[in-house]
Amino acid sequence: AQSVTQLDSQVPVFEEAPVELRCNYSSSVSVYLFWYVQYPNQGLQLLLKYLSGSTLVKGINGFEAEFNKSQTSFHLRKPSVHISDTAEYFCAVSESTGNQFYFGTGTSLTVIP
Amino acid sequence: DVKVTQSSRYLVKRTGEKVFLECVQDMDHENMFWYRQDPGLGLRLIYFSYDVKMKEKGDIPEGYSVSREKKERFSLILESASTNQTSMYLCASRIRATYNEQFFGPGTRLTVL
Repeated sequence: AQSVTQLDSQVPVFEEAPVELRCNYSSSVSVYLFWYVQYPNQGLQLLLKYLSGSTLVKGINGFEAEFNKSQTSFHLRKPSVHISDTAEYFCAVSESTGNQFYFGTGTSLTVIP
Repeated sequence: DVKVTQSSRYLVKRTGEKVFLECVQDMDHENMFWYRQDPGLGLRLIYFSYDVKMKEKGDIPEGYSVSREKKERFSLILESASTNQTSMYLCASRIRATYNEQFFGPGTRLTVL
């Protein structure tokens, strides 16, 4: 069965510092990868996605992620965070076969002024 | 823009009541999903529907049922609400195809007393 691991449940970081949120997955088939953000009391919003091609994908709000097939990882990065980036971040995987998305347990990013 | 709406943002019900959560999407998406979100557990799939009148169980279907009579509407039913069903419920929709992202509603926070 597919599994998605977000190793860090909470990440505190100072404003304007860089951040990396880690995501690893397990799958024996081709996958499509997504990062979502959830602000307090809201639904999830797509940050970026990897379908194929270049392993570095850029998303909204200055975020980017790199797909590493050999390490089955899809880590999310931002070079300089802002207070408004404080939110919950979810990594998700969709297999090329089947209908489901598989979500990680989320990483709570707190940006400290 | 895709819009997914959920009938209530906050709902309080008593144990044993029958509860209906409604979700409507306005972009003619084939696939619709119901998740529950709990701290530390991320999003867990309850049911999904890949087309009208079609449904499949997700990871935690016990105590829930669903209805999809029209393409735009996907209802989640708690036949007899229990306190352990207190949670945030998120609805999502997607164009058919596993490489497409899911679009989420704002969520319904259900409290069962």
